[in-house]
Amino acid sequence: AQSVSQHNHHVILSEAASLELGCNYSYGGTVNLFWYVQYPGQHLQLLLKYFSGDPLVKGIKGFEAEFIKSKFSFNLRKPSVQWSDTAEYFCAVNPYNNNDMRFGAGTRLTVKP
Amino acid sequence: KAGVTQTPRYLIKTRGQQVTLSCSPISGHRSVSWYQQTPGQGLQFLFEYFSETQRNKGNFPGRFSGRQFSNSRSEMNVSTLELGDSALYLCASRPGATNEKLFFGSGTQLSVL
Repeated sequence: AQSVSQHNHHVILSEAASLELGCNYSYGGTVNLFWYVQYPGQHLQLLLKYFSGDPLVKGIKGFEAEFIKSKFSFNLRKPSVQWSDTAEYFCAVNPYNNNDMRFGAGTRLTVKP
Repeated sequence: KAGVTQTPRYLIKTRGQQVTLSCSPISGHRSVSWYQQTPGQGLQFLFEYFSETQRNKGNFPGRFSGRQFSNSRSEMNVSTLELGDSALYLCASRPGATNEKLFFGSGTQLSVL
């Protein structure tokens, strides 16, 4: 089965700082890639997803992610974070041909006002 | 449309007991996945059901089992509870295709004393 690694467990930034959260996966075949976010006290919700085409995908709230196939990576970025981005972020990988979606351990982001 | 509903919201059990958790997916969704969420471990995949059949399974012991009914509702059962089973158990549903996002419920918080 595929596995997902998120390198940063806890990231602390000041407002307006730029954000990049790392995500690497291991799987030999075609995959669909996702970033989910869990705000304090809320459900997990989708930030963005990549299936095919342009490897740079844009999601909600100004987030984007770039799929680099050669590096098996799908890093999440945001040019300028806000206090309201404080949340836990999960990268997920789903092989193209089944419904087995695996998640990384998550990265907790704290944005200081 | 109602979201994914999980019951109960909280459970307290003692070691050795068994527990059954319930999940009602969004109407029309045929795929239901279960995850265990613990701090530092992220979301660990338990299993996925589609049309009453378990299609994918994670690396959990046989004490963890599940099933899906003809109306797509799903239950998971944990027998002979251990302290380490304390976690938030999340259910997620999607229509069925692999490139669709998961819709998550609020989870059942299980505490094993």
